[in-house]
Amino acid sequence: GDSVTQMEGPVTLSEEAFLTINCTYTATGYPSLFWYVQYPGEGLQLLLKATKADDKGSNKGFEATYRKETTSFHLEKGSVQVSDSAVYFCALSGGGGSNYKLTFGKGTLLTVNP
Amino acid sequence: GAGVSQTPSNKVTEKGKYVELRCDPISGHTALYWYRQSLGQGPEFLIYFQGTGAADDSGLPNDRFFAVRPEGSVSTLKIQRTERGDSAMYLCASSLNQGTPGFFGPGTRLTVL
Repeated sequence: GDSVTQMEGPVTLSEEAFLTINCTYTATGYPSLFWYVQYPGEGLQLLLKATKADDKGSNKGFEATYRKETTSFHLEKGSVQVSDSAVYFCALSGGGGSNYKLTFGKGTLLTVNP
Repeated sequence: GAGVSQTPSNKVTEKGKYVELRCDPISGHTALYWYRQSLGQGPEFLIYFQGTGAADDSGLPNDRFFAVRPEGSVSTLKIQRTERGDSAMYLCASSLNQGTPGFFGPGTRLTVL
């Protein structure tokens, strides 16, 4: 079945550092790929997505490119802020059929220090 | 409200008891989803509603779990004869139409003693 593997945390960075959180996936067909973020005390929210190979999703300075050849969707940000401290989840849908059923990775806790 | 809300935020119960978890979706959203997140894991799909009907309940772990959405808005997840292994965060999400949800509720943390 479909699965998502993401970099284990926690990740601790200083403000303005470069961020990469690795994510690879296994899926049949052509899944859509997502990054969700969960800020402290809040629900999961969609950060960005990409629906086909070579698409780049971007939002709030974060980017991720759908790489079919390496089955990856790594999350990057050039300069993190304290307010980016959160748990980040990589996810996919539609690999084996349904476009509404999300398969998530385990999450990566990011802490950004001032 | 502006977002998806879930009540209660925390629920502690004893093994064998019955619990109900409530989800209020964003107004006008026809699709509603329940997920379960165990400690240290990502959320796992439980059930998807389109309107009043359960379009996909393939993620419900066994017949102790049941969910309803009688008027196509609020949904209730019901767990009978709770077990310690049911302890988890239960998440609800909604979307305007079928598709991946943009926002999840804050969740209900269920602890079965």
